[in-house]
Amino acid sequence: EAGVTQFPSHSVIEKGQTVTLRCDPISGHDNLYWYRRVMGKEIKFLLHFVKESKQDESGMPNNRFLAERTGGTYSTLKVQPAELEDSGVYFCASSVDQVGETQYFGPGTRLLVL
Amino acid sequence: AQTVTQSQPEMSVQEAETVTLSCTYDTSESDYYLFWYKQPPSRQMILVIRQEAYKQQNATENRFSVNFQKAAKSFSLKISDSQLGDAAMYFCAWGLTQGGSEKLVFGKGTKLTVNP
Repeated sequence: EAGVTQFPSHSVIEKGQTVTLRCDPISGHDNLYWYRRVMGKEIKFLLHFVKESKQDESGMPNNRFLAERTGGTYSTLKVQPAELEDSGVYFCASSVDQVGETQYFGPGTRLLVL
Repeated sequence: AQTVTQSQPEMSVQEAETVTLSCTYDTSESDYYLFWYKQPPSRQMILVIRQEAYKQQNATENRFSVNFQKAAKSFSLKISDSQLGDAAMYFCAWGLTQGGSEKLVFGKGTKLTVNP
């Protein structure tokens, strides 16, 4: 069974540009999460999808970030326009159920905004 | 504030020895879950062990065990008979449930080095 995959693994863009990150969860996992780790800080929650619906987007930093999960399968996270402080590692995770369930993480996308 | 604190940014242990990684958390909830995840270099983060707060018995997974002290809000991870493959970043996390959604609140992590 394939694990959570993320694309791209690395992205280097200039301030003001747009970047789209993609996450493919484990097949059959209704729950999909996005997290971000900024250098030297904790991994922080961004948002949670249940199928195609946003269950909780309280961690999204601002309206430059847009997440979608069309058809309840893969998800994209778009940053437009990117700022320097958006640099970090973006993790995606998925789980079968919610409370107390193991979240399976992808390898992350390293984003560097210059 | 609902936070997780890992006070040891780095730890090292000799192969075959035992090491304990500390974690404390702050919450007013009574029912919750606690997790330890590890992230080996250039690899995905994987679950090491989980603990339900309502269970008094400490969770154990092979060489990994926890010391869960609910009153003290402490959740340390003990690794016995350390192996070279245990070298990784270890993250303590707490499952915060709000509005039917659970999100993980992470500590900053502890980098564990295993010396041969």
